[in-house]
Amino acid sequence: GNSVTQMEGPVTLSEEAFLTINCTYTATGYPSLFWYVQYPGEGLQLLLKATKADDKGSNKGFEATYRKETTSFHLEKGSVQVSDSAVYFCALSAPDNAGNMLTFGGGTRLMVKP
Amino acid sequence: NAGVTQTPKFQVLKTGQSMTLQCAQDMNHEYMSWYRQDPGMGLRLIHYSVGAGITDQGEVPNGYNVSRSTTEDFPLRLLSAAPSQTSVYFCASSQQGSQETQYFGPGTRLLVL
Repeated sequence: GNSVTQMEGPVTLSEEAFLTINCTYTATGYPSLFWYVQYPGEGLQLLLKATKADDKGSNKGFEATYRKETTSFHLEKGSVQVSDSAVYFCALSAPDNAGNMLTFGGGTRLMVKP
Repeated sequence: NAGVTQTPKFQVLKTGQSMTLQCAQDMNHEYMSWYRQDPGMGLRLIHYSVGAGITDQGEVPNGYNVSRSTTEDFPLRLLSAAPSQTSVYFCASSQQGSQETQYFGPGTRLLVL
């Protein structure tokens, strides 16, 4: 079956530090890959996505590249801010899956200190 | 656009009680789904719908019922609540296609005593 594994948190960084959150996946075929972010007390919102191999998704200074050869979709940001403190979820959607079901990783909590 | 809305925001139930979690979207999305979020486990799919009148089970459907009489609404029913159903519930909607973005509601936090 499909699965997503991401690094456990919490990840604690100082403001302006470099961020990497690792994500690897198992799936048949070529899934679409997503990063969702959940700010405190809110629902999930899309941060970025990539739908085919070697695509790079980017948004708000965050980037992730779809690496088919390593089945990875690591999230990076060059300089984090306090406002980036949130829980980050890596997810995949297998092609032709009924209902567009997302398979999620366990989430990584990021805390950024001033 | 209000997007995806959910009510209530928070609910406390006693074991054996029933309740309905409401979900509505105003984006004319065909696909709607319910997920539950538990610590360290990400989100898991409970039920989904690909259009009015069509529903199907997800990964963890036991103890939950759904119906989809309109495109806009997708309520989730707990027939006899159990402590294992204590969780945060999210409704989501999207257009058809595995590459499409899912839009999530703000969630309902449920505590079953």
